Amino acid sequence: KAGVTQTPRYLIKTRGQQVTLSCSPISGHRSVSWYQQTPGQGLQFLFEYFSETQRNKGNFPGRFSGRQFSNSRSEMNVSTLELGDSALYLCASSSSLTSGGAETGELFFGEGSRLTVL
Amino acid sequence: AQSVTQLDSHVSVSEGTPVLLRCNYSSSYSPSLFWYVQHPNKGLQLLLKYTSAATLVKGINGFEAEFKKSETSFHLTKPSAHMSDAAEYFCVVSQRRSQAGTALIFGKGTTLSVSS
Repeated sequence: KAGVTQTPRYLIKTRGQQVTLSCSPISGHRSVSWYQQTPGQGLQFLFEYFSETQRNKGNFPGRFSGRQFSNSRSEMNVSTLELGDSALYLCASSSSLTSGGAETGELFFGEGSRLTVL
Repeated sequence: AQSVTQLDSHVSVSEGTPVLLRCNYSSSYSPSLFWYVQHPNKGLQLLLKYTSAATLVKGINGFEAEFKKSETSFHLTKPSAHMSDAAEYFCVVSQRRSQAGTALIFGKGTTLSVSS
């Protein structure tokens, strides 16, 4: 069974640009969550999608957005990039029908997309 | 609100010696707790989970953790470290949110170094 696939793995952008990251979950998983990982703030929850609907959202500005398609693939977009957006963005999928796997903790993570903003 | 505190940012052990990674949690209700591991340039992998069943939880690769409600702790241990255990470890609690569903709250992480 293929794991969670994130593309691109690495990218470099400049301030003010926008970026779109893609995540393909494990086949059959309907929940996709996004996390931002930085040395200073650690891992922070961005949002979770389930059946094309955003079900949970973290405390990030509106520049961070996402969506999920009917095949459960998800994208996240960051507009008007700032230097502080440099991070590893992790996608995780879950088969949980309720809440992104949080009760069971069984999130399956991709290897991440490392974004550098210059 | 739920939170986790990993008491050590860095732990160094010798191969073959025991490993102890400490985690305290705060939760207003009976929590679900987890340990995840992240190897360099890799995603996170679930090591083990506590969801109100047995207080001693066994995970993969010989790791185990004990839930102690009186101490609000969920420390991760392994009897004998292996070089391949060198990685970053995250203690995690599930956060019940006001809207439907929950999210995972991660600790800041503990980097485990293993020397030969």
